[in-house]
Amino acid sequence: DQQVKQNSPSLSVQEGRISILNCDYTNSMFDYFLWYKKYPAEGPTFLISISSIKDKNEDGRFTVFLNKSAKHLSLHIVPSQPGDSAVYFCAAPGGGGATNKLIFGTGTLLAVQP
Amino acid sequence: EPEVTQTPSHQVTQMGQEVILRCVPISNHLYFYWYRQILGQKVEFLVSFYNNEISEKSEIFDDQFSVERPDGSNFTLKIRSTKLEDSAMYFCASKDRTSNQPQHFGDGTRLSIL
Repeated sequence: DQQVKQNSPSLSVQEGRISILNCDYTNSMFDYFLWYKKYPAEGPTFLISISSIKDKNEDGRFTVFLNKSAKHLSLHIVPSQPGDSAVYFCAAPGGGGATNKLIFGTGTLLAVQP
Repeated sequence: EPEVTQTPSHQVTQMGQEVILRCVPISNHLYFYWYRQILGQKVEFLVSFYNNEISEKSEIFDDQFSVERPDGSNFTLKIRSTKLEDSAMYFCASKDRTSNQPQHFGDGTRLSIL
């Protein structure tokens, strides 16, 4: 039941360049999406989100783009920094109800090379 | 910034023993969650809790699992008789009442079943 998919297990970019992390989803009822960053031995940390009524949300170096027709979202990090090296998870609240459990993708390991 | 705290950070237990994982959610949050991540796999939802009762649980959350909010601050996950396959990182999360707000995660408890 892979409602949220991240098809790239890893990505390596040079410091200062753009990192683009991709996420696909299958459930057209999803109306809110989140990106979390996770360092080893820490919990997921909320990074940025986007509502389905928007196609772009920007917060400093981080921008999330949503293409509802393609059921695709992407996270752009520019410029990338070595401290951005982490696992990035895409997630969506699913299952209905007020509590809205998060459904996570499998994650993409980003390595930013100095 | 307020954060979710989890104890212990690492728990080693013999198979068949009971284990209790503890969490202190962010103080004004109303929704509470447990997730787990088996090594190399995605973060999976276990259970959500609101208004002193379980709101939703996954198929993983069988009769061996229970949750409790024994006082105004703690939120616990109990596994009655642990199995080898319960070895995982267990993350607690909390969220405020507003819809489309992120869940905030603790740093997790690494549970190792011997």
